[in-house]
Amino acid sequence: EMQLVESGGGLVTPGGSLRLSCVASGFSFITYNMNWVRQPPGKGLEWVSSISSGDNNFVNYADSLEGRFTVSRDNAKNSLFLQMNDLRADDTAVYFCARLTAKLNFDFWGQGTLVTVSS
Amino acid sequence: DIQMTQSPSSLSASVGDRVTITCRASQSINTYLNWYQQKPGKAPKLLIYVASTLQSGVPSRFSGSGSGTDFTLTVSSLQPDDFATYYCQQSYSTPYTFGQGTRLEI
Repeated sequence: EMQLVESGGGLVTPGGSLRLSCVASGFSFITYNMNWVRQPPGKGLEWVSSISSGDNNFVNYADSLEGRFTVSRDNAKNSLFLQMNDLRADDTAVYFCARLTAKLNFDFWGQGTLVTVSS
Repeated sequence: DIQMTQSPSSLSASVGDRVTITCRASQSINTYLNWYQQKPGKAPKLLIYVASTLQSGVPSRFSGSGSGTDFTLTVSSLQPDDFATYYCQQSYSTPYTFGQGTRLEI
């Protein structure tokens, strides 16, 4: 059974840091471009970041992040990470990891992890 | 960045109705357009990709069409399980932008 399981969310004060993890199982993790998508409470979906398949580690980020987030992966551990620094209140959201297929769609998603930035 | 605009933002309908949601891109995206369904507290679910291809396991009452800048998602006969929020998303170029969502209510 395919699974994507996120963890690492929680409450953090403005300016703080958090590292999210997403562990994959049931499919060949190394062959997929992996992404983070977030959703503020009661709002729509926002693509955050992507990292290429294999070991090339080509990355892309939403402009709104202003260099504060870093995506990485450990293919040996079937894991995707998002290091989030200098967090702001508007980073408060559920963060989903999702895999991108060759047809450029997000066909499988994790259940999400909630990040709350508040003093 | 490519902007995606959905309409309507919300829609009230009844079981058995035929409904159509539209999505417009700010520039041509060929057919790099996907549709997702999301229910409260759950992850989005892929319904349609490359504008008109039904994802495996998705009921045939869902269909998609369009190319360039204008796209539609149609549900031919609404079922109780279809009441949810629907998002379009372009995969023509990063950032992979989503529409603002259409909430389909009973």
